[in-house]
Amino acid sequence: AQSVTQLGSHVSVSEGALVLLRCNYSSSVPPYLFWYVQYPNQGLQLLLKYTTGATLVKGINGFEAEFKKSETSFHLTKPSAHMSDAAEYFCAVSDAEGAQKLVFGQGTRLTINP
Amino acid sequence: GAGVSQTPSNKVTEKGKYVELRCDPISGHTALYWYRQSLGQGPEFLIYFQGTGAADDSGLPNDRFFAVRPEGSVSTLKIQRTERGDSAVYLCASSLILLADTEAFFGQGTRLTVV
Repeated sequence: AQSVTQLGSHVSVSEGALVLLRCNYSSSVPPYLFWYVQYPNQGLQLLLKYTTGATLVKGINGFEAEFKKSETSFHLTKPSAHMSDAAEYFCAVSDAEGAQKLVFGQGTRLTINP
Repeated sequence: GAGVSQTPSNKVTEKGKYVELRCDPISGHTALYWYRQSLGQGPEFLIYFQGTGAADDSGLPNDRFFAVRPEGSVSTLKIQRTERGDSAVYLCASSLILLADTEAFFGQGTRLTVV
């Protein structure tokens, strides 16, 4: 069975600082990995995904994530936080055998301090 | 429409009542998914459809929950004899095809409160 662990339910950074949101997964088969963002009163929006190929994946709004198989991690980063990045972020995993049956982490709420 | 539409956006019902939640996927999307998000948690898979048929309903918590997609477009999630523990945000998503690496587009959800 697949699972996702997001370390830190709340992360707070200053505007302009590095954003690092941690995600570790468990999967018995090669995983597909996703980061979604949820702004208040909005639906989940895909930030980026890893399926195959290059392990460093770039997404929207300046975010990127790196798939590290040896560490079973897919941490999300952004070099410089902006106030508009304040939201809830979810890491998710699926696999080719499970179609689009996403397994989500519990989420990390990102707060940006001025 | 431009995105996945879910109605109603909010639903308050009394314990024991029956409710229906509707999802209008993006036009042309053949795959449709339902997830449930409890307070402070990530979404949990309930069921997905490829066309009209339920390809996997293993996430439905019990037989009080049922979902249909009779014409391969709109889907309805039905909950019988609602319980307070059913209170959550119910999310619908759709994708062009049913593949694990295909982006799923989510609606804003229906917030169900059982009192």
